[in-house]
Amino acid sequence: GIQVEQSPPDLILQEGANSTLRCNFSDSVNNLQWFHQNPWGQLINLFYIPSGTKQNGRLSATTVATERYSLLYISSSQTTDSGVYFCAVDMNTGFQKLVFGTGTRLLVSP
Amino acid sequence: DAGVIQSPRHEVTEMGQEVTLRCKPISGHDYLFWYRQTMMRGLELLIYFNNNVPIDDSGMPEDRFSAKMPNASFSTLKIQPSEPRDSAVYFCASGANTEAFFGQGTRLTVV
Repeated sequence: GIQVEQSPPDLILQEGANSTLRCNFSDSVNNLQWFHQNPWGQLINLFYIPSGTKQNGRLSATTVATERYSLLYISSSQTTDSGVYFCAVDMNTGFQKLVFGTGTRLLVSP
Repeated sequence: DAGVIQSPRHEVTEMGQEVTLRCKPISGHDYLFWYRQTMMRGLELLIYFNNNVPIDDSGMPEDRFSAKMPNASFSTLKIQPSEPRDSAVYFCASGANTEAFFGQGTRLTVV
């Protein structure tokens, strides 16, 4: 099956710093989502981005489907950004099943 | 819409007991997914439904696990009999063609 690798596995930032999280996948995908799992365990949708670039406030994401990677940018990080960031992909046509990466654990300290 | 609603939020049960997890998807979504999250295996898909029909249950770990979707607004995941290794957070998610949206999960502890 498709392999999804995320890097770095862990990241510690000072509040206000910027960061880039990476997601590499082993095959062509038709669906890619970024999620934030907050310290309470809730999975929050950040982006649906099978290709191209999107921005939402301090967060933006870019997926280069032909090169099989996606990047999540966090600017001016805040303590509330702490948690685990997951990339999930679906290689099937249509909407079938998301395969999750192992995540990047982010800790933003004040 | 209130989002995907799961119940209970927490469940503690004794080994050998039957456990039933419940999910109400977002209205209008025709896909429903059950995921399990553990430290060792991360987030893994157990089963998904399209228009209430089970499409792929290849992720269901064994016959002790079963899932049903009797109508568009309700699904259950049942474990019978439960074992300590079933302890995990179980997520339900729903979607319509593109994005999947997750419920808050049920934290199951089997002692």
